[in-house]
Amino acid sequence: LAKTTQPISMDSYEGQEVNITCSHNNIATNDYITWYQQFPSQGPRFIIQGYKTKVTNEVASLFIPADRKSSTLSLPRVSLSDTAVYYCLVGDITSGTYKYIFGTGTRLKVLA
Amino acid sequence: GAGVSQSPSNKVTEKGKDVELRCDPISGHTALYWYRQSLGQGLEFLIYFQGNSAPDKSGLPSDRFSAERTGGSVSTLTIQRTQQEDSAVYLCASSSWTSGGDTGELFFGEGSRLTVL
Repeated sequence: LAKTTQPISMDSYEGQEVNITCSHNNIATNDYITWYQQFPSQGPRFIIQGYKTKVTNEVASLFIPADRKSSTLSLPRVSLSDTAVYYCLVGDITSGTYKYIFGTGTRLKVLA
Repeated sequence: GAGVSQSPSNKVTEKGKDVELRCDPISGHTALYWYRQSLGQGLEFLIYFQGNSAPDKSGLPSDRFSAERTGGSVSTLTIQRTQQEDSAVYLCASSSWTSGGDTGELFFGEGSRLTVL
């Protein structure tokens, strides 16, 4: 039922930039794209949200092409503490209600 | 409160018993979600409440699962006749709505870890 597709896992080294791409081919016209981070034994937490082009905050950047069918979360200079699962989220209208259903997420492992 | 509060944080029960899990959302948030997360897995949608509308129960795995939300605030997820496969972390999230709809920023509680022996 999830409306998003992401790589299952990624490995990176400390200090590198990490880019995680998410496909959402059926995104609704008025829908935002939101990314979450989840550490073990915790609930997901909001990282960044965007509608189009580029959004940057203190922890990440989000790149959204003009057709909005995908988005890329960019984490600059990752550290070991960035090891987590990252989810992109768009709205889902199946069963008639607009709501949020998570996909599988991307398990990022940062190596020393 | 300042964030989404869930209780109990841990619950161990015997197969066949009923359990109730509670979620206290952020004040003023009209949308409330329940998700289930099994060990090493993603978040499985269970049920969604938005204001006074009928809840979207499309994710509930069986009729042993039910949830209610009283006064548009606190929600209780009830699992009857628990089974071992019900063992998981149950996460609650709330979000606010604007004129454009759900903001998409979900605030999660720390979850209730259920273990069915």
